Amino acid sequence: AQTVTQSQPEMSVQEAETVTLSCTYDTSENNYYLFWYKQPPSRQMILVIRQEAYKQQNATENRFSVNFQKAAKSFSLKISDSQLGDTAMYFCAFMKLLKLTFGTGTRLTIIP
Amino acid sequence: GAVVSQHPSRVICKSGTSVKIECRSLDFQATTMFWYRQFPKKSLMLMATSNEGSKATYEQGVEKDKFLINHASLTLSTLTVTSAHPEDSSFYICSARDPDSRTDTQYFGPGTRLTVL
Repeated sequence: AQTVTQSQPEMSVQEAETVTLSCTYDTSENNYYLFWYKQPPSRQMILVIRQEAYKQQNATENRFSVNFQKAAKSFSLKISDSQLGDTAMYFCAFMKLLKLTFGTGTRLTIIP
Repeated sequence: GAVVSQHPSRVICKSGTSVKIECRSLDFQATTMFWYRQFPKKSLMLMATSNEGSKATYEQGVEKDKFLINHASLTLSTLTVTSAHPEDSSFYICSARDPDSRTDTQYFGPGTRLTVL
């Protein structure tokens, strides 16, 4: 079974600064997907970024980028130029054969 | 694109009654949908995988007779909580996979808050 660990329950950062959220996972699989989802106070889960394990290049989506280290089983999320709207719960997730396993989440607060 | 809706957004019911929650993919056909449960300040736990035209696959520890899932069309899956009890109170979220996407990304509904009195 896969496990996903997010070791930072809460983080806060000043607006416009950069913040990195950590995620590690444990699997014996070679091909899989990794995701970061954001859950704002509305509780709607929003896809932030995804990474295919077979791709060495780190995924980027505007201000969001990942540092994917397959050998270390690490998948951190970097948010640049943080905005107040980035305040949310962030979940790292592992997917194999359509099954998503979520980490426990990191509550991120952007301070004005 | 890739919008998933859920109805109702909130429901309060009496203990012993049944509650049905609908999950719809609005702009794509979803052969596979998923049902999750999220406790307060906790992560999402997969309850079951719903496949159009066939029986749902339940995760270990999830009572299939309590949580009835029906995926009768390519755009609709329903979760019925039967004989609800206060311990069933939770936030239920569905997701749907767009089979035409090049990846297996799941798109989530806005969730349903169930309160059983």
